[in-house]
Amino acid sequence: EAQVTQNPRYLITVTGKKLTVTCSQNMNHEYMSWYRQDPGLGLRQIYYSMNVEATDKGDVPEGYKVSRKEKRNFPLILESPSPNQTSLYFCASSLTPWGQGTDTQYFGPGTRLTVL
Amino acid sequence: ILNVEQSPQSLHVQEGDSTNFTCSFPSSNFYALHWYRWETAKSPEALFVMTLNGDEKKKGRISATLNTKEGYSYLYIKGSQPEDSATYLCAFLRSGNTPLVFGKGTRLSVIA
Repeated sequence: EAQVTQNPRYLITVTGKKLTVTCSQNMNHEYMSWYRQDPGLGLRQIYYSMNVEATDKGDVPEGYKVSRKEKRNFPLILESPSPNQTSLYFCASSLTPWGQGTDTQYFGPGTRLTVL
Repeated sequence: ILNVEQSPQSLHVQEGDSTNFTCSFPSSNFYALHWYRWETAKSPEALFVMTLNGDEKKKGRISATLNTKEGYSYLYIKGSQPEDSATYLCAFLRSGNTPLVFGKGTRLSVIA
C-alpha cells in the first residue's frame, strides 16, 4: 500500500530536549516536505527536499533541521524545542515538486507535538 | 506574500443538503489549484488538482470548478452525508519554483 508514515504520532516533551520526527514514504517520490498546522493558520511549509542530499527552507524553517540521506526518509529535527513549536506536523511526498500539474501530494498521518 | 482565502471558515448543514464553499487565490501566474479533504485525526487527502481555466472535476457527490481569470474555485457537495464532515483545504501553486500555499480551510459539519 502506498503510504507516508510518521513517528511518533504524539509526543510531549520539554523545552530544550532534542527530538526527531521520522517520515518515510514507499512510493519512490523525489519530493518531500514538512508542514506545520496551527489553529487559525493554513498549513505552512517548514522545509522541503527535491532529492537525496538536496534540501531547502520553506516558509517557517527557524528552529528546525532536516536531512535526506535516503530517498524514502526525511526526518525533522528539533535541536532545542521551544513551546512555540507546539503544533501538528505533517510530512508529505510527491512525484513532482509539491504536486505540480496533475500530480498531488500524499500526506502522512501527522505528529502532534507539545513542548512544555 | 501570497494570500489564499477560503470561505466560510465553518459550515453546519443538515444531512441531504447541498452545499458549496469558495477558495480565492491570486489570478496572476497561476499554475494549479489543489483541493484536499482532511478528516480529524487523519491525513489530508487529495480530492482534485485543477490546472485549466473553466476546469470542472467530479468525484462522486463532490465537484469543483475553477476560474483562473478571477482567481476562485468552488467546491460543491451534493446531498451532504455525515461522512462528508471534514475540513476542506485548497492550495494554490504559482508557476515557477514556489511551494504550495494553503488556505485555512472550511470546516464542514453534516448533522444527521
